[in-house]
Amino acid sequence: GENVEQHPSTLSVQEGDSAVIKCTYSDSASNYFPWYKQELGKGPQLIIDIRSNVGEKKDQRIAVTLNKTAKHFSLHITETQPEDSAVYFCATTNFGNEKLTFGTGTRLTIIP
Amino acid sequence: NAGVMQNPRHLVRRRGQEARLRCSPMKGHSHVYWYRQLPEEGLKFMVYLQKENIIDESGMPKERFSAEFPKEGPSILRIQQVVRGDSAAYFCASSQTGLADTDTQYFGPGTRLTVL
Repeated sequence: GENVEQHPSTLSVQEGDSAVIKCTYSDSASNYFPWYKQELGKGPQLIIDIRSNVGEKKDQRIAVTLNKTAKHFSLHITETQPEDSAVYFCATTNFGNEKLTFGTGTRLTIIP
Repeated sequence: NAGVMQNPRHLVRRRGQEARLRCSPMKGHSHVYWYRQLPEEGLKFMVYLQKENIIDESGMPKERFSAEFPKEGPSILRIQQVVRGDSAAYFCASSQTGLADTDTQYFGPGTRLTVL
């Protein structure tokens, strides 16, 4: 089955700096790549997603890049703010499959 | 629009009891998914249902666990004879048309099950 590795497991950045989280996947048929943000005691919240027909997608301070050849995708957060502190999860699935496979999460801490 | 609703938010059971978790999908959503999250881990897929049908239960333990999504009412995840290893956060997600149709899964706040 699909295997998703996520790095780093923890990340601390100064407020205003950028944060980058990377995920690699094993199934070359994967075609959907969402990123979720989970705050303490809450459910995962979708923040951005990308499908395999595009290489990059941006939404204000958040962007996702996809390299299908290398089988990795990354989350980029620019101009970080304290409210960006949370655990971030990447996930994948492939066409026709409704089952998301999640990475192990990255705990992001923004230092004021 | 109300999001995905789950209840109870916290559930405490003693070993051997039954746990019943409920999920009401977003309005207009007919696809429901259940995931389990152990402490400090990512979410693991359990089961995918559409109204009155289990589509994929490949992630659900064969014994003690069952799920349903009746024509009327919420989806139910049932765990019989709970053991301490069942302690986890259980999340429900819903989708209007499914990922295969370029849709997205929206998650509820979860039910945190503690087995004493």
